[in-house]
Order: sequence, then structure tokens, then C-alpha cells
Amino acid sequence: GESVGLHLPTLSVQEGDNSIINCAYSNSASDYFIWYKQESGKGPQFIIDIRSNMDKRQGQRVTVLLNKTVKHLSLQIAATQPGDSAVYFCAEKPANTGNQFYFGTGTSLTVIP
Amino acid sequence: EAGVAQSPRYKIIEKRQSVAFWCNPISGHATLYWYQQILGQGPKLLIQFQNNGVVDDSQLPKDRFSAERLKGVDSTLKIQPAKLEDSAVYLCASSSLQGSNQPQHFGDGTRLSIL
Repeated sequence: GESVGLHLPTLSVQEGDNSIINCAYSNSASDYFIWYKQESGKGPQFIIDIRSNMDKRQGQRVTVLLNKTVKHLSLQIAATQPGDSAVYFCAEKPANTGNQFYFGTGTSLTVIP
Repeated sequence: EAGVAQSPRYKIIEKRQSVAFWCNPISGHATLYWYQQILGQGPKLLIQFQNNGVVDDSQLPKDRFSAERLKGVDSTLKIQPAKLEDSAVYLCASSSLQGSNQPQHFGDGTRLSIL
């Protein structure tokens, strides 16, 4: 199977600070990546995606950066809020796998008020 | 747009019993996925359907797990007999089209506890 890992299992930030969550992926042939947010007792919620032909993509308060050279993905959350507290997963989709994704273990983000 | 619906939300059974989970995907989504998420881990794909056909079930423990999507809409996942290691959250997801880069939309899952 694929290996998608996260550098830090837990992250604590002060409210209002920026958060950076990192992810290493293993398959250089992966062509699509998604960040999901999972709150306790709920399913993963789509945050932002990026295709392999891009290096950066911005959403509302979130930015995803993709470095294909070192197979690294990061999620930046600006002005982190208590509602951002959750587990964040990166997921990679290898090319030609019929929209199948491989998920990492997750990083637990805690926002300190 | 209604999201992915799953039931039940919680289930507690004894080992060696059987259990079934139900999923109704987002309307119009052709592709449906079942995932197993063990506590502290990311979701792991069990099976993927495209309409009523199986695309990939290579990670489904077929000696005890089965799934069907007979009419290409809702789906059921069954475990018979259950083992202690099956305790997990079972997530259903759907996406609009296979073969293209489409995000998967998840339900809130069924939390299964085996006693």
C-alpha cells in the first residue's frame, strides 16, 4: 500500500496565530492531494485540494503548498480559531488508480484561546 | 445538497455476531467508498463501487466482510462474524465521477464496538 505520513502527531497554537501542518507522501506518481479536517464524532470534511501541476493553492484562511521535489505537502491556516481544533489528514491519489486515496495518520491541532 | 447519510451511528455487538451498516451517497454520485478508521489512524479503503459494480475490493477481508450496491445508489456493508479487531468507525464516502480528480465527501460514520 501507499505510505502517507505526517511529521507531527500533535500541534498546539495560540488563537490568532498561524498554523502549519506538514505531510510527507511516498508516491512520486501521485497527481492529486486533499486536506481533510475531522472533528470528533464526525467524518472527514474537505478543506482544500491541489493538483500536481500546481505548487500553491489558496482558499479562505487556508493555503496548501506542494513540493514535488521532496514529496512534501503543507497546510497553512491563517489566524487560527478555536473552531479549527480537529485532526487534519492529508490524502494522496496516485495517478491511474480510479480516484482512490491514501490517508496519513493525521495531526491533532489544538487551538489555545 | 444533502450529504452522505449513514446508519446506525453506533453499534455494539459481541464477537462472532453479525452486523450491517447502511450508506446513502450524495444524489448523483456514481462512486461510493467504504473505509475503516481505527482509533488514531487515517481511513483505510475497504471497497470502491462505480455504480453497482466493484472497482476495487483488494483490501476487504472477504472471509468476513461483504458489501453490495445492488441498484447503484445506496450500499450496505456487512461483517459476519465480527472479531475484536473490527472495532472501528466505518465511513462511507462518495464522489461524482471515477477516473477524474474528484474529492470524496464523507458521512459521519458508524462507530462499531465489539465486546
